[in-house]
Amino acid sequence: EAQVTQNPRYLITVTGKKLTVTCSQNMNHEYMSWYRQDPGLGLRQIYYSMNVEVTDKGDVPEGYKVSRKEKRNFPLILESPSPNQTSLYFCASSTVLGPNQPQHFGDGTRLSIL
Amino acid sequence: AQSVTQLGSHVSVSEGALVLLRCNYSSSVPPYLFWYVQYPNQGLQLLLKYTTGATLVKGINGFEAEFKKSETSFHLTKPSAHMSDAAEYFCAVSDSGANNLFFGTGTRLTVIP
Repeated sequence: EAQVTQNPRYLITVTGKKLTVTCSQNMNHEYMSWYRQDPGLGLRQIYYSMNVEVTDKGDVPEGYKVSRKEKRNFPLILESPSPNQTSLYFCASSTVLGPNQPQHFGDGTRLSIL
Repeated sequence: AQSVTQLGSHVSVSEGALVLLRCNYSSSVPPYLFWYVQYPNQGLQLLLKYTTGATLVKGINGFEAEFKKSETSFHLTKPSAHMSDAAEYFCAVSDSGANNLFFGTGTRLTVIP
C-alpha cells in the first residue's frame, strides 16, 4: 500500500530537548515536504526536498532542520524546541514533477512543547 | 507571489443541500489549483485538481470545481451534501515554476442531519 508514514503521531516534550520526527514514503517519490498546520493559518511549508541531498527552505523554516540522505526518508529535526513550535506537522511526497502533482500526506504528528 | 483566500472558515449545510466552498487565488502566472480534504485525525487527501484544459473539474465523492480566470476563483461544489462530507477543506495554488504549494486557511464543513 502506498503511504507516507510519520512517527511519532503524538509527542509532548519540554523546551530545549532535541527531537526528531521521522517521515518515510514507499512510492519512490523524489519530492518530499514538511508542513505545519495551525488554527486559522492553514498549512505552511517548512522545508522541502527535490531529491536526495537537495533541500530548501519553505515559508517558515526558522527553528527547524531537515536532511535527505535517502530517497525514502525525510526527517524533521527540532534542535531546541520552543513552545511556539507546538503544532500539527505533516510530511508529504510526490513525483519528480513536484508540487504540481498531487501530494501524498502522512497522518500527522501533533507536537506539544511545554 | 501566490496566495489563496478561502472565504468562510466554517460552513454549515443541511444534509442533501448544496455545498459551496469558496476559493480565490492570486498568481502572476497561470496557476495550478487543488482542493484537498482533511478528515479528523488524518492527513490531507486530494479531492481534485486543475492544471490545464477543461475549466470544470470533477473529483472524488461527487465534488467538482470550476476554474474562472476572470474571477480568479476556484470554488468547490457538491449538489447534495452527505454526512460523510463533514471535514476540513483546503484550497491550494501552485504554478509550473514553483517548488511548493500555497494553502488557504481552510474551511470546516459541518453537515446537519
